[in-house]
Amino acid sequence: GNSVTQMEGPVTLSEEAFLTINCTYTATGYPSLFWYVQYPGEGLQLLLKATKADDKGSNKGFEATYRKETTSFHLEKGSVQVSDSAVYFCALSDALNTGFQKLVFGTGTRLLVSP
Amino acid sequence: EAGVTQSPTHLIKTRGQQATLRCSPISGHTSVYWYQQALGLGLQFLLWYDEGEERNRGNFPPRFSGRQFPNYSSELNVNALELEDSALYLCASSPKYGGYTFGSGTRLTVV
Repeated sequence: GNSVTQMEGPVTLSEEAFLTINCTYTATGYPSLFWYVQYPGEGLQLLLKATKADDKGSNKGFEATYRKETTSFHLEKGSVQVSDSAVYFCALSDALNTGFQKLVFGTGTRLLVSP
Repeated sequence: EAGVTQSPTHLIKTRGQQATLRCSPISGHTSVYWYQQALGLGLQFLLWYDEGEERNRGNFPPRFSGRQFPNYSSELNVNALELEDSALYLCASSPKYGGYTFGSGTRLTVV
């Protein structure tokens, strides 16, 4: 079945450091890929997405590129802020064309940014 | 535009009782998805409702059930609660072929 693997956390960084959170996937077909963010006590917010190979999703300084050859969708940000502290989830959906949009999530990576 | 609304925010129940969780989708969205976020288990797909019908369910026992109303709002019912049902339950809505928007969740605690 489909699955998503992301790096264990927590990731601890100082403000303005460079961030990479690794995500790899296993899927049949051509899934769409997502990064979601969850702030403490809240639900999930879509951070960015990519729907086909070589697409780059970007939002709020975060970006990720859909790499089919390495089945990866790593999240990067050039300079993190304390306000970026949250849990980040990588996810895939392989059924957007059928109307059934089940998401398969990774286990989440907690990011802690200190001043 | 109002987002996806879930109620209640928190719910405390005793083992063996029933819990009812509610979700109001974004106006115009016909699909509602339910997910369980349990500690140590990550986010698991529970149920999908579309146009008033249950279309798909995840690997959960039948005591997890629900329905979708004509206005596309949805209820999730969990019967015969067990301690391991304690989790954050997230609802998301979407248009037919569009992307999700999640609500803030209902935290269910079973004691």
